[in-house]
This record gives sequence, C-alpha cells and structure tokens, in this order.
Amino acid sequence: SQTIHQWPATLVQPVGSPLSLECTVEGTSNPNLYWYRQAAGRGLQLLFYSVGIGQISSEVPQNLSASRPQDRQFILSSKKLLLSDSGFYLCAWTSGNFFNEQFFGPGTRLTVL
Amino acid sequence: GIQVEQSPPDLILQEGANSTLRCNFSDSVNNLQWFHQNPWGQLINLFYIPSGTKQNGRLSATTVATERYSLLYISSSQTTDSGVYFCAVERNSGTYKYIFGTGTRLKVLA
Repeated sequence: SQTIHQWPATLVQPVGSPLSLECTVEGTSNPNLYWYRQAAGRGLQLLFYSVGIGQISSEVPQNLSASRPQDRQFILSSKKLLLSDSGFYLCAWTSGNFFNEQFFGPGTRLTVL
Repeated sequence: GIQVEQSPPDLILQEGANSTLRCNFSDSVNNLQWFHQNPWGQLINLFYIPSGTKQNGRLSATTVATERYSLLYISSSQTTDSGVYFCAVERNSGTYKYIFGTGTRLKVLA
C-alpha cells in the first residue's frame, strides 16, 4: 500500500531564516505530487505541483520554491522566511498513471517568529 | 477558474442528529472528493465520487454532475465527526489538480 511521509511535523523558525520541508511517497511510481498551505482557520491553497522529476508548476507567486530531485521526493524551500509564511503545509499525491483520488500526508506546522 | 462553494460554513449539532453538507461547483468536473480534517489537521479521505451515490457506514455522498453539486450526509452524528469537511474538484479538462472549497466546520456536542 502507498504511504506518504512529511517532516518535520512542527517547526519554529525566525524571520529571514531558510526553510526546507520534505515529502516522500512509498509504494507507487511516477506519482503527481502537490504542496498545499493552510492558514489558520482557512481552506487549502495549492502552492506547487509536479507531474515528474524536475517538472514544477507554481500556482501562486511567493517567497517559496519547490523541487523534485527524485521520483517520489518533493521538497518545499525558502531562502528567507517571512511572517506570512506561517501555516500548515500539506503534501499530497495522486497516481501518475490515472489521475483520480488524492491522498495527503500528515502535514508540517510552521511558525515564523 | 472553477469556483467551489460549500454550505453551510459552520454547523453545530447535538450528538445523534443528522446533517447534510453541500458542495456547488461552477464548471464540469472529472473528479470530486470529500475529506474530513480532524482536529489534528490530518485530511482523511471520505469519498471519491465524481458521480452517483456511495455509502460508508453512517456517511453517504451523492454527486449530480449534470447539476454541478454534491451532498455529504452524516447520520447519527458523533463527537468524533467534529472537524472541517472539504469538497475538492478537478476541472473537466485534465488539469491534474484539485480545487478545494472553503469547507464546512462541524461541531458535534455530547
């Protein structure tokens, strides 16, 4: 069966520091991968998605970037965090062979101080 | 882009009550899912239901794609049903991405 991992689970970072969040998927090949952000009490905002290694689509221009160095690895980064980057970051995947159901990881709660 | 609206935005129920949550979308869709976000933030898949009706225990869902809405029914609600319910749709153009509604926040009182 497929499993999606995210780490760290929680993170507190000062303004201006770098960020790296990692997501990995097990049990499937060539998945579509997604990063979402959820502000407190709000809905989910799609940040980036990837249909293959090195292929990144950005949905919202911002202080963040994404990379997909391996088939089942998706990384969210920032060079300098802003207060507005605080939120709950969720990674998700769908099958790359037949797009249908989406599955989410446990999330990373980021607080920028 | 496609608009996804959920109603009601907030709902408070007494344990044992039934409820209906609604998701309206503004364009034809290929895929539709219902999720439950628990108090710890985990998004739990409830239904993958681009059309038709499905049931899973006390929960059931119906999507009428031609009329652009989906309904989630919760019967005999329990306190563990509390959380936020999201509807998500993928446009009927193979975009490979879901658009989420703003959610219905449900609180079930003991």
